[in-house]
Amino acid sequence: AQSVTQPDIHITVSEGASLELRCNYSYGATPYLFWYVQSPGQGLQLLLKYFSGDTLVQGIKGFEAEFKRSQSSFNLRKPSVHWSDAAEYFCAVGAGAGSYQLTFGKGTKLSVIP
Amino acid sequence: DAGVIQSPRHEVTEMGQEVTLRCKPISGHNSLFWYRQTMMRGLELLIYFNNNVPIDDSGMPEDRFSAKMPNASFSTLKIQPSEPRDSAVYFCASSFRQGGSYGYTFGSGTRLTVV
Repeated sequence: AQSVTQPDIHITVSEGASLELRCNYSYGATPYLFWYVQSPGQGLQLLLKYFSGDTLVQGIKGFEAEFKRSQSSFNLRKPSVHWSDAAEYFCAVGAGAGSYQLTFGKGTKLSVIP
Repeated sequence: DAGVIQSPRHEVTEMGQEVTLRCKPISGHNSLFWYRQTMMRGLELLIYFNNNVPIDDSGMPEDRFSAKMPNASFSTLKIQPSEPRDSAVYFCASSFRQGGSYGYTFGSGTRLTVV
């Protein structure tokens, strides 16, 4: 069975600083990887996803993530954080074609200092 | 598309009462998922359906919880009787084909408080 680890429970960055949120997965084959964002009082919104091909994927709101098979990682990055990016971020892994479930990490809460 | 629609947005009920949460998935999506989110346990998958058929309900905490999907456009999650430990945010999500490949679209959730 697949699993996801987000090592950082809470990260604080200054507005305008760069951001990297870590995600490590465990899965025997090539995974399908996702990042979701949850703003307070809202549901989860899909930021980006990786299926195959280019290991650097672009998402909405200026986010990108890089798949590194050798490190079993799929870290989320943004070059310059805005105050509106304060939210909780969830990494998820799917077992691919024919599978129903996504397995979610525990989430990383991002705080942004003005 | 209006997205995944959940109702009510907030529900406050007394212990022992029956609670029914509702979900309308995105038209054309054929998989539907119910999640519960708490501070202590994070996101927990309760049950999911494919083509209106329950596939896996192993996440349903106990017999007090039940879920139905009578047609492709509607699902309910019922708790009877409710207990204070059921207080959480309940999310419904839907996906096109298998969610493991395509990802889910989440609703805005129902915040349940049992007093």
